[in-house]
Amino acid sequence: GENVEQHPSTLSVQEGDSAVIKCTYSDSASNYFPWYKQELGKRPQLIIDIRSNVGEKKDQRIAVTLNKTAKHFSLHITETQPEDSAVYFCAASGGGADGLTFGKGTHLIIQP
Amino acid sequence: DAGVIQSPRHEVTEMGQEVTLRCKPISGHNSLFWYRQTMMRGLELLIYFNNNVPIDDSGMPEDRFSAKMPNASFSTLKIQPSEPRDSAVYFCASSFEGTIQYFGAGTRLSVL
Repeated sequence: GENVEQHPSTLSVQEGDSAVIKCTYSDSASNYFPWYKQELGKRPQLIIDIRSNVGEKKDQRIAVTLNKTAKHFSLHITETQPEDSAVYFCAASGGGADGLTFGKGTHLIIQP
Repeated sequence: DAGVIQSPRHEVTEMGQEVTLRCKPISGHNSLFWYRQTMMRGLELLIYFNNNVPIDDSGMPEDRFSAKMPNASFSTLKIQPSEPRDSAVYFCASSFEGTIQYFGAGTRLSVL
């Protein structure tokens, strides 16, 4: 089955700086890669996703890049703000209506 | 729409008791997923349904776990008998035609 590795487990950055979280996956058949943000005690919420026919996708301060050859994808957050502090999860699936395999999460801390 | 609705929000039970978790997906969604979240194992897919039919239950940890989806607007996850190691947050999610998975607020289960 699919295996998703996520790094780092904790990331502390100064407010206004950029943050990068990286994930690798094992199953070359995976073609859908969402990123979820989870605040303490809350549900995971999608912040951005990318499909394998696209190499990069951007939404305001958030961007995701995908390298299918190397089987890795990354989340980039620019101009970080205090409200960006949360746990971020990457995930992979075969697309369609398949279940997601999640990475272990990255605790992002924005230092004022 | 009210989103994915899960009940109960919290459940405390004693070892050996039967536990039933409930989920109402977003109206019109045709895929439903059950996930479990623990500190040690992160977010794990337990089982998912497409058009009310179970597709993959390989994530169900043991025969003590069972899930049903009798119609498009309701699903249950049952644990019988429950054990302390089943303590976790159980999330239900739904999607339409393989698009974004929306998560419910979760059920926090404590087995004493």
